[in-house]
Amino acid sequence: EAQVTQNPRYLITVTGKKLTVTCSQNMNHEYMSWYRQDPGLGLRQIYYSMNVEVTDKGDVPEGYKVSRKEKRNFPLILESPSPNQTSLYFCASSLSPGLAGYEQYFGPGTRLTVT
Amino acid sequence: DQQVKQNSPSLSVQEGRISILNCDYTNSMFDYFLWYKKYPAEGPTFLISISSIKDKNEDGRFTVFLNKSAKHLSLHIVPSQPGDSAVYFCAASVLTGANNLFFGTGTRLTVIP
Repeated sequence: EAQVTQNPRYLITVTGKKLTVTCSQNMNHEYMSWYRQDPGLGLRQIYYSMNVEVTDKGDVPEGYKVSRKEKRNFPLILESPSPNQTSLYFCASSLSPGLAGYEQYFGPGTRLTVT
Repeated sequence: DQQVKQNSPSLSVQEGRISILNCDYTNSMFDYFLWYKKYPAEGPTFLISISSIKDKNEDGRFTVFLNKSAKHLSLHIVPSQPGDSAVYFCAASVLTGANNLFFGTGTRLTVIP
């Protein structure tokens, strides 16, 4: 089954404790992206990757890191989480930039709470 | 600054009637628009899209209309069904860009049986 998976689905942590949210897709997609969803703000892009070893900042990259060492994986790293990073996070992937690949496929989401 | 806006946080419609969800954008560079549907505890799923070279795209019960001069698009669902109850996000992109999507804040549609 073609899918984007994220782990964990739920995470409660404390300020300053480093964490990683994993994202994996099995569709051989070139493009991957991370979003956060907050009430009244919709989905905002954190980071994206056009291909392996190519990453770039989205709208709200502060406090986050990413890496793209393999095509299928795109982990999101919070080196020192803070309460304002409490949010619902989504990973997404698409075939490639271009008309045929603009539909992004989303993972199920990771609900992160930082206390 | 929100480049894509959905000014109605919620909408209730009777089953069988038409649902109309609206979306406005400010960036004239956007030339590709998408609607996503989101159920609770799931990720958004792609519903329908439209390129700026068209003013209408239809897929079954779903039709998206684009008015470029007004920088406005709308999603029509006819007839509405209870299973359509979800949050709908409008998104916009630039075709020659990096495939980055700019999302609206969403409209929660409730279809009343």
